[in-house]
Amino acid sequence: EAGVTQFPSHSVIEKGQTVTLRCDPISGHDNLYWYRRVMGKEIKFLLHFVKESKQDESGMPNNRFLAERTGGTYSTLKVQPAELEDSGVYFCASSQVGDYGEKLFFGSGTQLSVL
Amino acid sequence: KQEVTQIPAALSVPEGENLVLNCSFTDSAIYNLQWFRQDPGKGLTSLLLIQSSQREQTSGRLNASLDKSSGRSTLYIAASQPGDSATYLCAVRPESSASKIIFGSGTRLSIRP
Repeated sequence: EAGVTQFPSHSVIEKGQTVTLRCDPISGHDNLYWYRRVMGKEIKFLLHFVKESKQDESGMPNNRFLAERTGGTYSTLKVQPAELEDSGVYFCASSQVGDYGEKLFFGSGTQLSVL
Repeated sequence: KQEVTQIPAALSVPEGENLVLNCSFTDSAIYNLQWFRQDPGKGLTSLLLIQSSQREQTSGRLNASLDKSSGRSTLYIAASQPGDSATYLCAVRPESSASKIIFGSGTRLSIRP
């Protein structure tokens, strides 16, 4: 069974450019989460989808970040325009619908460098 | 506000030793606690998930305990091996905002051959 897949694994862009990260969750997982780790900090929650609906987006840093999950399958996270402080590793995770005892499965992450 | 702390930040031990990693959290109202492993340049791998009603979980050489009332969890690794070298992360899912899990900063473990 394929795990959570993220594309690209690395992205280097200049300040002001746009970048789109993609996450393919494990098939059948309705819960999809985005997290990120910026340099020297803990991994922090960004948002949570249940199918195509945003359950909680309280962790999104500002309106330069836009997440979508059309059709309830894969998700994209777009940063426009990117700023230097957006550099970090962006992780996606998925889990099956159920109570909150479910285990999260993480992807390998996208290393984003904004120059 | 829930905070998760992991001590020590880094640990280096010779191969074969048993070791304990510590995790503490400030709010005992949690659904569960999960231990992850992260290898350099890789994603997070879930090791053990302990529900709030449980006291411990075991998988192979790993044993995780949970004392919810005191806000503590430990990850015990028996007979450590060089392949255990990685960063170990503790994360709790709080009842107050169940969509998000709160991570500690991790313990970077190095096992010397």
